[in-house]
Amino acid sequence: DTAVSQTPKYLVTQMGNDKSIKCEQNLGHDTMYWYKQDSKKFLKIMFSYNNKELIINETVPNRFSPKSPDKAHLNLHINSLELGDSAVYFCASSQTTGFHEQYFGPGTRLTVT
Amino acid sequence: QKEVEQNSGPLSVPEGAIASLNCTYSDRGSQSFFWYRQYSGKSPELIMFIYSNGDKEDGRFTAQLNKASQYVSLLIRDSQPSDSATYLCAVNNGDNNDMRFGAGTRLTVKP
Repeated sequence: DTAVSQTPKYLVTQMGNDKSIKCEQNLGHDTMYWYKQDSKKFLKIMFSYNNKELIINETVPNRFSPKSPDKAHLNLHINSLELGDSAVYFCASSQTTGFHEQYFGPGTRLTVT
Repeated sequence: QKEVEQNSGPLSVPEGAIASLNCTYSDRGSQSFFWYRQYSGKSPELIMFIYSNGDKEDGRFTAQLNKASQYVSLLIRDSQPSDSATYLCAVNNGDNNDMRFGAGTRLTVKP
């Protein structure tokens, strides 16, 4: 069983389009996250959700909006895609906030042309 | 100033040797520390976490933490070619689950 899953695995789209990436975890965790990993492999947190409440919102453009229908899902919607949005996006989850380790999904490679 | 710093490498060691990976962090309030392994094209995979000063051993891996020096390291004994990957250090301040990652150290273990 996949603990943290993401779809799609690859996403190629044109500038200006709107796209969504889905994430689901079956670990029963309370907190989920979205990370962006750029071409230099630097992993940067974008958002985290705990019990459907946003608790971290890093300085990302408001074109990015996380949506959590329930605590097992945290989707990422991106409006008006730009070339600089090309990266690998990882979803992760942890038992709760605080010290707990995070478990990552397989990643979604987004390419904006 | 980067919040979590790692030598980007590449670090090359022969098979069977000890690989030593280092990480420093700037936030003195950091509470928990993690090492992740990331193979090319794959997602980060948790190897170890450590909360207290000192050493923590798990199989061939040993994490070392020195909060006074704001330093955390990972030792890999009896390195294998399958250990070749990028190793990410991550630091969490515990208050708001703000996890910060280093840029990673690329390790190559040569047969």
